[in-house]
Amino acid sequence: DGGITQSPKYLFRKEGQNVTLSCEQNLNHDAMYWYRQDPGQGLRLIYYSQIVNDFQKGDIAEGYSVSREKKESFPLTVTSAQKNPTAFYLCASSTGVSSPLHFGNGTRLTVT
Amino acid sequence: GQQVMQIPQYQHVQEGEDFTTYCNSSTTLSNIQWYKQRPGGHPVFLIQLVKSGEVKKQKRLTFQFGEAKKNSSLHITATQTTDVGTYFCAEFYSGGGADGLTFGKGTHLIIQP
Repeated sequence: DGGITQSPKYLFRKEGQNVTLSCEQNLNHDAMYWYRQDPGQGLRLIYYSQIVNDFQKGDIAEGYSVSREKKESFPLTVTSAQKNPTAFYLCASSTGVSSPLHFGNGTRLTVT
Repeated sequence: GQQVMQIPQYQHVQEGEDFTTYCNSSTTLSNIQWYKQRPGGHPVFLIQLVKSGEVKKQKRLTFQFGEAKKNSSLHITATQTTDVGTYFCAEFYSGGGADGLTFGKGTHLIIQP
């Protein structure tokens, strides 16, 4: 089955540590996205990539970094510079910008 | 990015009652998408509306796009417990160096049996 895999489902880290969230897709989609979801805030765009080796900042990119070395993979690093990293992180892909998104199951990150 | 306003934030209904959520924008939208997120789950794409005045139906769900393409609605007839979740509208935003879908804050549908 084609889909998007995010791992791990739950992640716990100490404050001051960087952490990388994995996102892999086998849908052959060109575009990939990272969203953050907080209670009552809906989904906010962190980074997106329309093609391999290229990515753009979204609305809340500060404290995050990404890479897109392969079409299938779009890992997100939450750095120690991110002031409020505890959240639900959702990776998505689409055939192109403005096309419907296919989401992974998400990673719940807790930083204490 | 640009924000779409979605109302209400919460809606409690008795099972069997109808439900409607509204999405409004201050600017003309190229298209609008609707997603559903079950509790503890991830958003799932429901439908995309592109044309002015467009109406699409999926069983008990009716989606409308306003004539001016500045608002949209999702109506569920005779809600069932399986309809529980958060419904999001999303618009494609391009500009200011950031392209991508901008989501409303969602409407949480709570159904009382």
